[in-house]
Amino acid sequence: RKEVEQDPGPFNVPEGATVAFNCTYSNSASQSFFWYRQDCRKEPKLLMSVYSSGNEDGRFTAQLNRASQYISLLIRDSKLSDSATYLCVVNAYSGAGSYQLTFGKGTKLSVIP
Amino acid sequence: DGGITQSPKYLFRKEGQNVTLSCEQNLNHDAMYWYRQDPGQGLRLIYYSQIVNDFQKGDIAEGYSVSREKKESFPLTVTSAQKNPTAFYLCASRRTGPSGANVLTFGAGSRLTVL
Repeated sequence: RKEVEQDPGPFNVPEGATVAFNCTYSNSASQSFFWYRQDCRKEPKLLMSVYSSGNEDGRFTAQLNRASQYISLLIRDSKLSDSATYLCVVNAYSGAGSYQLTFGKGTKLSVIP
Repeated sequence: DGGITQSPKYLFRKEGQNVTLSCEQNLNHDAMYWYRQDPGQGLRLIYYSQIVNDFQKGDIAEGYSVSREKKESFPLTVTSAQKNPTAFYLCASRRTGPSGANVLTFGAGSRLTVL
């Protein structure tokens, strides 16, 4: 089983739609979780951290389910500018004061006019 | 403004040549990382450094070398031993410690093409 798995998509949705992505992780000792956004041929940028109780930032909502080992990202009222690849990132303690970040391969979203 | 600067943005290399990619940060971050990204693939860790004068191999270190002589700088050398070096290279850094400890900040990347 891959450490961090995402549906690669693409998800093609009309403007104004609601879309959700899931990400599963295999390391039960994972401690922190993030969603990054990556535009074509650009660097990833932090979209939001994912907190245990779930968190919202405008149109974006992130959820964590530790029991089932997945995180989700919900985007409401999709905009054309939301078109990007969304990377799931999982952080786990790897010993000796070090943390290891593992990236999913990303889910591609295209918002269509 | 603080950030991470990678250079060059685009680089072309002939087979058999070594090239060095620069990464400089003024965020006062302790830890720095080099990742490689291939089309349709996730980020793969090449090397990382938690502190000056120390660095560790990541998952795909073969054919690469790094140094960390200064906190601000973490250059990556792609050697001729790297069999498939054409890729998008991303440098990143993060603070260590309990507050915002694990958020990575990326540079804009260097795109290397071997001719």
